[in-house]
Amino acid sequence: EVQLLESGGGLVQPGGSLRLSCATSGFTFSSYAMSWVRQAPGKGLEWVSGIGASGVSTYYAGAVKGRFTISKDKSNNTLYLQMTSLRAEDTAIYYCAKDLAEIGGPHPWDSWGQGTLVTVSS
Amino acid sequence: DIVMTQSPESLAVSLGERATINCKSSQSVLKNSNNKNSLAWYQQKPGQPPKLLIYWASTRASGVPDRFSGGGSGTDFTLTITSLQAEDVAVYYCQQYSNTLTFGGGTKVEIK
Repeated sequence: EVQLLESGGGLVQPGGSLRLSCATSGFTFSSYAMSWVRQAPGKGLEWVSGIGASGVSTYYAGAVKGRFTISKDKSNNTLYLQMTSLRAEDTAIYYCAKDLAEIGGPHPWDSWGQGTLVTVSS
Repeated sequence: DIVMTQSPESLAVSLGERATINCKSSQSVLKNSNNKNSLAWYQQKPGQPPKLLIYWASTRASGVPDRFSGGGSGTDFTLTITSLQAEDVAVYYCQQYSNTLTFGGGTKVEIK
């Protein structure tokens, strides 16, 4: 069974930094692209960042480019999102999500974590 | 970026009746390499992460009941729930994965 478990969320001041983690199990982590998707309170879904299966290729939404860094650690099957220069508008639940298929892409996501809440406020 | 527009914003349907949600993309999401539309539908219930229902516009994801069906091509797509059940109350999102991934604004489905 695929499992994704996010952690690392919390309250941070504007301009601050936070690192989110997504521990995975139940699938071959090195074979799948992964993404971070966020949802502001009461709002819709927004793709934030994606990383290829090998961890070499990375992609970012315009709103976070230059501030967020996605990475994969294959030694412990964990996905990360390093967030810097945080703004109030980054406040959201952050979900990690696994690609539907191993090859090709981009793909939709067939497995999601429960999310971790990031609140940016003074 | 491709803009996805869903309609209606909310929908109230009687149990056992049909619900239809529309999704329009600002440009075609047809993938030339496989002649399939890069369009997915997700269901999100309160307090839960989204769940993939449909991909390639009309392929049901594993375990999804056959009362859920997707259709359309190019820029216009639909999600249909035939015979609405109480457990189908949720917000439904369309998503294109043709290029930079974008979602529609969501459609809230309730029981009339």
